[in-house]
Amino acid sequence: SQQGEEDPQALSIQEGENATMNCSYKTSINNLQWYRQNSGRGLVHLILIRSNEREKHSGRLRVTLDTSKKSSSLLITASRAADTASYFCATVTSGSRLTFGEGTQLTVNP
Amino acid sequence: NAGVMQNPRHLVRRRGQEARLRCSPMKGHSHVYWYRQLPEEGLKFMVYLQKENIIDESGMPKERFSAEFPKEGPSILRIQQVVRGDSAAYFCASSPPSSGRGLDTQYFGPGTRLTVL
Repeated sequence: SQQGEEDPQALSIQEGENATMNCSYKTSINNLQWYRQNSGRGLVHLILIRSNEREKHSGRLRVTLDTSKKSSSLLITASRAADTASYFCATVTSGSRLTFGEGTQLTVNP
Repeated sequence: NAGVMQNPRHLVRRRGQEARLRCSPMKGHSHVYWYRQLPEEGLKFMVYLQKENIIDESGMPKERFSAEFPKEGPSILRIQQVVRGDSAAYFCASSPPSSGRGLDTQYFGPGTRLTVL
């Protein structure tokens, strides 16, 4: 199975609601990162959480990491239509390569 | 400080031709990574380079693909004799010299979308 699998594959919510996306991985990691990709565009780095951290906040984003369960979650609070995008988690194991999941497509309806 | 730059943004090639994709890392960054994204999929690692050195090419196809990051100038991803299956978005990322391996954020360029006819 692939390292960094996101769940759900697609999520549709109303503006103002919270969106939660989950990511599971299989091997030990140095850190885990979340990226956003708007349709047809490049990736924008959102947040990095190190393996010795459990929770991190950045604006409306909250990321948790549970290394015992090998999982992470990304919470976007008070969502906006502009948050519509694909969200990817990526893990760094040995070396510096990022291993991406297949992504969660988030649609925020106005 | 300009971000990671890639050119061209779109590239169309016929089967059998060569494709050259360029990436200029962010100022001060000495590490460059190339990733490929097929339609409706996540990104897949291809190669990791530092100036004049290939550090990890475990994600590169064994044939037709090569990458370099010369002392001067951008990093180049070269695909020889392209086939339709090479059609994808190719993203470059860069990171600064790190105090510990794998601890730094990678900053991505806008990508080059390659279409092979």
